[in-house]
Amino acid sequence: EADIYQTPRYLVIGTGKKITLECSQTMGHDKMYWYQQDPGMELHLIHYSYGVNSTEKGDLSSESTVSRIRTEHFPLTLESARPSHTSQYLCASSAASGDSYEQYFGPGTRLTVT
Amino acid sequence: KNQVEQSPQSLIILEGKNCTLQCNYTVSPFSNLRWYKQDTGRGPVSLTIMTFSENTKSNGRYTATLDADTKQSSLHITASQLSDSASYICVVSDRGSTLGRLYFGRGTQLTVWP
Repeated sequence: EADIYQTPRYLVIGTGKKITLECSQTMGHDKMYWYQQDPGMELHLIHYSYGVNSTEKGDLSSESTVSRIRTEHFPLTLESARPSHTSQYLCASSAASGDSYEQYFGPGTRLTVT
Repeated sequence: KNQVEQSPQSLIILEGKNCTLQCNYTVSPFSNLRWYKQDTGRGPVSLTIMTFSENTKSNGRYTATLDADTKQSSLHITASQLSDSASYICVVSDRGSTLGRLYFGRGTQLTVWP
């Protein structure tokens, strides 16, 4: 069982609200990731981080932002939620080195914007 | 274009039966291939990971095969159990970037009936 946590697990919120999805891991991993997944579809990388103070945008354009002030913490923020942001958001982490590094996923946050 | 295609999209089998899921990919240069199991509303959990030189790997009742020449992989599940009901995702990593980019298939939704 991976030690990576996400809160909240479920969130229903109105349009225009600011939200922050929390992700934390206790494995000391340098690399962390945020993915977006719609039902029946593949995971899409939206943000990643190589370490503290490092953040990059992923393959899928997203209006969300991330920060990495501490190794164990990688929160994702939406300044103004819209119905198009309704999706499942998965956080993951991995060790820094090796081609066969393992990515460990959190349980996900199911976001619904009404 | 780097892609990962899985078949079938969904599958229903009876408890105790065997099944095989397929994965074809075009990712290049190839680094490794993973199979993940994703329960509904949860994050993916790794089942196996195989590098170029490996053509089979087992994890309990799960056996994955890899043919790097034809760029095909399969996941065989033996003596299925109700708890095997989940989405099985094929993920291929490339060697061409420091991130070790992951390419995700859409998954095969397996349902095991009693």
